[in-house]
Amino acid sequence: KQEVTQIPAALSVPEGENLVLNCSFTDSAIYNLQWFRQDPGKGLTSLLLIQSSQREQTSGRLNASLDKSSGRSTLYIAASQPGDSATYLCGCRASGSRLTFGEGTQLTVNP
Amino acid sequence: EAGVAQSPRYKIIEKRQSVAFWCNPISGHATLYWYQQILGQGPKLLIQFQNNGVVDDSQLPKDRFSAERLKGVDSTLKIQPAKLEDSAVYLCASSALGSLNHGYTFGSGTRLTVV
Repeated sequence: KQEVTQIPAALSVPEGENLVLNCSFTDSAIYNLQWFRQDPGKGLTSLLLIQSSQREQTSGRLNASLDKSSGRSTLYIAASQPGDSATYLCGCRASGSRLTFGEGTQLTVNP
Repeated sequence: EAGVAQSPRYKIIEKRQSVAFWCNPISGHATLYWYQQILGQGPKLLIQFQNNGVVDDSQLPKDRFSAERLKGVDSTLKIQPAKLEDSAVYLCASSALGSLNHGYTFGSGTRLTVV
């Protein structure tokens, strides 16, 4: 059974700081890994999708890496802004196509 | 491309009442998922459909929850009777058939409060 862990559970940083969110998973036989953003009371917005054959994906100030052998992924946010404040969720897609999520990291970027 | 549509956005009911949620996936997406997200936790899969067939309902509390996907398009999730612990956000997602390399697209969710 796939288990996904996200560290830290919460993070508060000053505006402009670069930061890293971590995701680890127990079953390395994944098809892909997807990072999402969730604003309070809202649904999930996809940020980056990394296939199992890829090492990283980039979109603007976001960079996600994947190391299947160690069961880890990181989401790097450069030059953080108050608008980046949200909960970030990591989801792993393994056998059966189910997406298994971690508990999320609640990010607060202070002006 | 239109996104995944869900309704209602919010619902407040008393325990032991029934409630239904509706989802319209992205056009052409054969796979549809219902997730339950309790406050402060990550989403957990309740049921997965491929076209109008159930692929995985192993975590669906079948004594009170039911779901259907008529004609392989829209889906409804029902709870009857509701319990206090059913208070959560119910998220619908869809993905394209044919490759497990496709990502998920989520709707805005329905926030259910059971009092």
